[in-house]
Amino acid sequence: QVKLQQSGAELVKPGASVKLSCKTSGYTFSTSYMSWFKQIPGQSIEWIGMIYAGDGGTGYNQKFKGKATLTVDTSSSTAYMDLSSLTTEDSAVYFCARSITTWHYFDYWGQGVMVTVSS
Amino acid sequence: DIVLTQSPALAVSLGQRATISCRASQSVSISRYNLMHWYQQKPGQQPKLLIYRASNLASGIPARFSGSGSGTDFTLTINPVQADDIATYYCQQSRESPPTFGAGTKLELK
Repeated sequence: QVKLQQSGAELVKPGASVKLSCKTSGYTFSTSYMSWFKQIPGQSIEWIGMIYAGDGGTGYNQKFKGKATLTVDTSSSTAYMDLSSLTTEDSAVYFCARSITTWHYFDYWGQGVMVTVSS
Repeated sequence: DIVLTQSPALAVSLGQRATISCRASQSVSISRYNLMHWYQQKPGQQPKLLIYRASNLASGIPARFSGSGSGTDFTLTINPVQADDIATYYCQQSRESPPTFGAGTKLELK
């Protein structure tokens, strides 16, 4: 079955960077898209960006350009998101989610990872 | 960006029908494709896809969930509501990048 397993919770200092992972199984990673999302508890969901695992092509929400960098490792079927120059406003739950068509609805999600930015 | 507007909350009795609406700031339809999707999220969990392209039931989702609409106005219906359906429901459009979500409708018991 399809699984997206995200890395564990992170506590990071302001100004630092963090790299989140999303390890997949149960489907053909290289022919799918992986998106990342931000959700502050109690608030709605924001799309950060998307990567096509086949060629590493990316698209970003303008709001997150320069903040997030998406990559994949097709040998391990894992997607990554680097978040840089972290501030307290980056404290949130981050999800990865798959889409397999260009209609871009998200049929499988990771469990989410809480990132807390605090000194 | 396309803005999706949802009512914040809806109170419903178990066994009754719940109708959750979502209005887009511009059309999210292309030809015969309505690019609106619906998700359920429970506290502490990831979102779950319920309906894709306005009216298509996602895999494993019970038939008491249904979706309709086109253009700018869309509806998610749950009939009959069960206790396990108490959650927050989000609409999401993929007509234009960036994909955007509504603020969510919290389904509550009356």
